Amino acid sequence: GAVVSQHPSWVICKSGTSVKIECRSLDFQATTMFWYRQFPKQSLMLMATSNEGSKATYEQGVEKDKFLINHASLTLSTLTVTSAHPEDSSFYICSAPPRSEGLETQYFGPGTRLLVL
Amino acid sequence: GQNIDQPTEMTATEGAIVQINCTYQTSGFNGLFWYQQHAGEAPTFLSYNVLDGLEEKGRFSSFLSRSKGYSYLLLKELQMKDSASYLCAVERDYQLIWGAGTKLIIKP
Repeated sequence: GAVVSQHPSWVICKSGTSVKIECRSLDFQATTMFWYRQFPKQSLMLMATSNEGSKATYEQGVEKDKFLINHASLTLSTLTVTSAHPEDSSFYICSAPPRSEGLETQYFGPGTRLLVL
Repeated sequence: GQNIDQPTEMTATEGAIVQINCTYQTSGFNGLFWYQQHAGEAPTFLSYNVLDGLEEKGRFSSFLSRSKGYSYLLLKELQMKDSASYLCAVERDYQLIWGAGTKLIIKP
């Protein structure tokens, strides 16, 4: 089946630094990728929709200047948490629907756990 | 390797009961999630099982057997709004391994 990877798996950083998280579709192309945050035992909160070759669409309440998204190719989207603070500590998950299928089919990445000290 | 299996699609009748199975083979296990996802929306958390046994939460129940690598989600008194995809995900080493999801179709 289709695989989505994320890198890094986990990261610890100091407050004020920036962290980049990669989301890759390994065996399919994705013009759209989704970024989520998950707090313990809670629903995934959609942060933004990443569109290849164009600007990302952010959900209400998500700061686009703080969470920079770049979808430079059909297999890679990156989320950069700029000037990270402890409240940004979370589990970040991406998902991608294959280009050849509808948005109903999504493959999820394993997640990136971010801890900001 | 890591492997999680769920049926691709299931059909059930409104008012009935349906059981969605999830089997897993993973190196390491912290717990197992069930999510509901309606088309075009973010997944909604349903349950998180760590210990063996059945956990009931309203119309939805989730069961886990760690020794068998098996879980199921039980939906009772099905309603049309329960038509959605149901995702099983195993948490290990602070990572999630996702099943492909089961599309549940509810018929009147």
